[in-house]
Amino acid sequence: GDSVTQMEGPVTLSEEAFLTINCTYTATGYPSLFWYVQYPGEGLQLLLKATKADDKGSNKGFEATYRKETTSFHLEKGSVQVSDSAVYFCALSDRDSGGSNYKLTFGKGTLLTVNP
Amino acid sequence: DTAVSQTPKYLVTQMGNDKSIKCEQNLGHDTMYWYKQDSKKFLKIMFSYNNKELIINETVPNRFSPKSPDKAHLNLHINSLELGDSAVYFCASSPWTSRTYEQYFGPGTRLTVT
Repeated sequence: GDSVTQMEGPVTLSEEAFLTINCTYTATGYPSLFWYVQYPGEGLQLLLKATKADDKGSNKGFEATYRKETTSFHLEKGSVQVSDSAVYFCALSDRDSGGSNYKLTFGKGTLLTVNP
Repeated sequence: DTAVSQTPKYLVTQMGNDKSIKCEQNLGHDTMYWYKQDSKKFLKIMFSYNNKELIINETVPNRFSPKSPDKAHLNLHINSLELGDSAVYFCASSPWTSRTYEQYFGPGTRLTVT
């Protein structure tokens, strides 16, 4: 079955540091890839997505590139802020076991804390 | 102008009770989902409905029964609650069941079973 592996947290950075959160996946089909963010006490919000190989998703200074050859979708940001403190989830969308519908499979999440 | 809303936000109950969580979306989406997030933040899909029809049913105890009265609503009823049911339950919606569409999540319902 499909799976998503992302780096274990927690990750603690100082403000303006560079961020990388690694994400790799296995999928039976040709998935779309997503990064979602969950701020404390809230639901998940889409951060960015990429639907085909070599696509780069970007939003709010975050970027990730769909690398089919390495089955990866690493999240990066050049200069983090305190307000970026949250849990980040890598996810893929692929057909379910029945083959007719699509579902999201999530990684285990990475807690990021940014200190001033 | 809330997109996906859930009620209640918090639910504390005793083992053996029956409870329901309600979800509504005003985005005009056709597909809705229920997810369970455990204490380690791991998210797993439970059910998905498309146009009121159940299309995804993961390995979930049959004490959990989703109901979709219309496209905008997807409720989750849980019978005979157990300690292991304690978690945060998220409702989500998307325009259609598609590889490329993102899902929009509600704020979550924190269920605590004592």
